[in-house]
Amino acid sequence: GAVVSQHPSWVICKSGTSVKIECRSLDFQATTMFWYRQFPKQSLMLMATSNEGSKATYEQGVEKDKFLINHASLTLSTLTVTSAHPEDSSFYICSARVNSASEQFFGPGTRLTVL
Amino acid sequence: KQEVTQIPAALSVPEGENLVLNCSFTDSAIYNLQWFRQDPGKGLTSLLLIQSSQREQTSGRLNASLDKSSGRSTLYIAASQPGDSATYLCAVYNTDKLIFGTGTRLQVFP
Repeated sequence: GAVVSQHPSWVICKSGTSVKIECRSLDFQATTMFWYRQFPKQSLMLMATSNEGSKATYEQGVEKDKFLINHASLTLSTLTVTSAHPEDSSFYICSARVNSASEQFFGPGTRLTVL
Repeated sequence: KQEVTQIPAALSVPEGENLVLNCSFTDSAIYNLQWFRQDPGKGLTSLLLIQSSQREQTSGRLNASLDKSSGRSTLYIAASQPGDSATYLCAVYNTDKLIFGTGTRLQVFP
């Protein structure tokens, strides 16, 4: 139980294009999903928190117009990197939880490379 | 602002050794603490979750302890194996967020 999937697992795109990453909770309903970014040899940094049906809450320094988050259902959240640039190349990991008292369950991550 | 630090940053040991990974946090008002393992280029694997009312959790060769008052947690790995080689991350549940530590890269050689 408590499986979270991400799609795609890796993506390569040209600079200036937009990329959408999906995060799904497969066997539970997630009221809250989280998006993290991890640069090489660094730890995970929280980018934003999204609650189903509400606007996402972004961490300081994360551009909401560049990283669009949509949490349209209790099992799906999407992160769209708009007008991607090489510095956006990173490992993006999502997590999901049932409620505020439960632990977060993590997806396998998506490797984004922007050429 | 909660800060989570892990020491050492990297560790290389021969197979069979018992070892301790350290995690410290600056704000003791945490809900839970969790230890994860991350293999290169992969996602996170949850190892142990310690609730704030608990002092330790055990799973197989792993034992994690939590001392909230001193802001510390340790992960003890018994009889280390080459398959234990990975990066180990601790993370604290602080209000509504999970704050990750800096990580310890462990290499166990045969």
